[in-house]
Amino acid sequence: DVKVTQSSRYLVKRTGEKVFLECVQDMDHENMFWYRQDPGLGLRLIYFSYDVKMKEKGDIPEGYSVSREKKERFSLILESASTNQTSMYLCASSFGQGGPSYEQYFGPGTRLTVT
Amino acid sequence: QKEVEQNSGPLSVPEGAIASLNCTYSDRGSQSFFWYRQYSGKSPELIMFIYSNGDKEDGRFTAQLNKASQYVSLLIRDSQPSDSATYLCAVSGGTSYGKLTFGQGTILTVHP
Repeated sequence: DVKVTQSSRYLVKRTGEKVFLECVQDMDHENMFWYRQDPGLGLRLIYFSYDVKMKEKGDIPEGYSVSREKKERFSLILESASTNQTSMYLCASSFGQGGPSYEQYFGPGTRLTVT
Repeated sequence: QKEVEQNSGPLSVPEGAIASLNCTYSDRGSQSFFWYRQYSGKSPELIMFIYSNGDKEDGRFTAQLNKASQYVSLLIRDSQPSDSATYLCAVSGGTSYGKLTFGQGTILTVHP
């Protein structure tokens, strides 16, 4: 079975802090994704990566950065956390580079609260 | 215009009935279609995918795809209270290789 893990289920941070969210997958997937999910707004793509050290902006990259130094690990960084970044953060991974996409598998999510 | 639209919920069906969830998409070049189930407070879980026109069955679930009409649906037969969740339609391919575009989701409640 595909396993995607995230470093924390719940996280509380203060405004202005630098926040790291870690995601690890064990299926040798090429693609990895970071989403946030908010009531009424659905799933929104923040960043994705299709290879080590490669990244592309999603729909809402402002205020976030990412790092992918190893194939299995994809990190989301909030450079200076703000209250409007309070959300559920979901990591996902999938096979495939180019061509029709394979299905994405999600981690359990990190519920981040910024106070 | 939203790229992926799902029928507005919430949808409520009695136990044992067929639940029908619908999704339309705007990108005619889309190639892959997915249905995810998400329980409250949990992450989305893949339940079905379909690439070709027609029906695909997996147990109580049937996905239907009509690319000409840009329409994909999910039927849940013999609905159970445990099917109560939000169902997300996702679309990929065409102009968005490597990414999925998700609908807003339809909340399904199956009442005993």
